[in-house]
Amino acid sequence: DAGVIQSPRHEVTEMGQEVTLRCKPISGHDYLFWYRQTMMRGLELLIYFNNNVPIDDSGMPEDRFSAKMPNASFSTLKIQPSEPRDSAVYFCASSFQHGHYGYTFGSGTRLTVV
Amino acid sequence: GENVEQHPSTLSVQEGDSAVIKCTYSDSASNYFPWYKQELGKGPQLIIDIRSNVGEKKDQRIAVTLNKTAKHFSLHITETQPEDSAVYFCAATHRRETSYDKVIFGPGTSLSVIP
Repeated sequence: DAGVIQSPRHEVTEMGQEVTLRCKPISGHDYLFWYRQTMMRGLELLIYFNNNVPIDDSGMPEDRFSAKMPNASFSTLKIQPSEPRDSAVYFCASSFQHGHYGYTFGSGTRLTVV
Repeated sequence: GENVEQHPSTLSVQEGDSAVIKCTYSDSASNYFPWYKQELGKGPQLIIDIRSNVGEKKDQRIAVTLNKTAKHFSLHITETQPEDSAVYFCAATHRRETSYDKVIFGPGTSLSVIP
């Protein structure tokens, strides 16, 4: 398996623009997580899905953030409009069976909003 | 709320020496403790985990210990090598059979192994 695949690896955008991050989880994993990593706040859970259904989005910072999982092999995290404080590395991770076996993280998307 | 503390935040060791990273957790219901290694430019990678029904687990040069009474758990790396240089995260969660609890990550320890 190729692991969790995220795209793009790097994204530079201007403030106010829409940004869409993409994730392909490991086949067969029934949990998908979106995390944000910054020096100040470490790893923050934004939202997670179970069997394509959003379960907990309490970590989503604002209404500017939204996430979808239209099928078991694809998820998106969208920021509209983007702001400089959204600059961070965004990770997608997937897990099998209620997270009992640890997570497999993707390589992340480094987002810079100027 | 739930919290995981991790110490030290940075650690430098000479190649061949041992490194120890310590974590404490606040939720006494936590029963699963994974450790992740994050190399520069990559996502965290699960390197070892321990469940609350055991006190120690070893995998080659890496070992984890758990003290449930004190709510402490530690990562031990022996015979360190330059490729062990990375940021290490501890984490804790309460695994349930039919539902999911949020995994709480520690703030990370940046380990440097000096050749």
